[in-house]
Amino acid sequence: EVQLVESGGGLVQPGRSLRLSCAASGFTFDDYAMYWVRQGPGKGLEWVSGISRFSDNIGYADSVKGRFTISRDNAKNSLYLQMNSLTTEDTALYYCAKAKAGAGTGTFDYWGQGTLVSVSS
Amino acid sequence: DIQMTQSPSSLSASVGDRVTITCRTSQTTSTYLNWYQQKPGKAPKLLIYAASSLQSGVPSRFSGSGSGTDFTLTISSLQPEDFGTYYCQQSYSSPITFGQGTRLEIK
Repeated sequence: EVQLVESGGGLVQPGRSLRLSCAASGFTFDDYAMYWVRQGPGKGLEWVSGISRFSDNIGYADSVKGRFTISRDNAKNSLYLQMNSLTTEDTALYYCAKAKAGAGTGTFDYWGQGTLVSVSS
Repeated sequence: DIQMTQSPSSLSASVGDRVTITCRTSQTTSTYLNWYQQKPGKAPKLLIYAASSLQSGVPSRFSGSGSGTDFTLTISSLQPEDFGTYYCQQSYSSPITFGQGTRLEIK
């Protein structure tokens, strides 16, 4: 059974940093690209970042480019999101998502339950 | 960036109704268009990928169609468990973008 479990969220002051983690199990982690998607309170879904199987192709939304860094450790079956210079606009539930095989990049067939990031002074 | 416009933003329908949600993209996405269902407090769930392919385990009352810039999600006979918010999403080009969502309520 595929499982994605996010952690690392919390309450943080503006300008500070936070590192999110996503522990994956139930599938061969390095066979798939992985993604972060967020959802602000009462809002829709926003793609944040994606990383290819061996980290050679990485992308970011303009809203986080230069502040967030995605990475993965295939030996640990884990995905990460380093978030720096956080602003109140980054307050959201952050989901880790897995790419669907055979559907091109950017189709998400499994999602975690999310980790909540609240940025407030 | 490719803009996604869903309509309607919300709708209320009765059990057994045929429900259609549309998604228009600001430029062609070929058939790189996916549909997700999200229930309150839950993660999104993939329903349809590549515009018309049914995700494994999803009931056959859900179907998708379209190509280019105009897409449709259809629920052939609405069931009580189909309430929630539906999102379209393009995976044609980066950045990946989502529609604003369509909130479906069961009368």
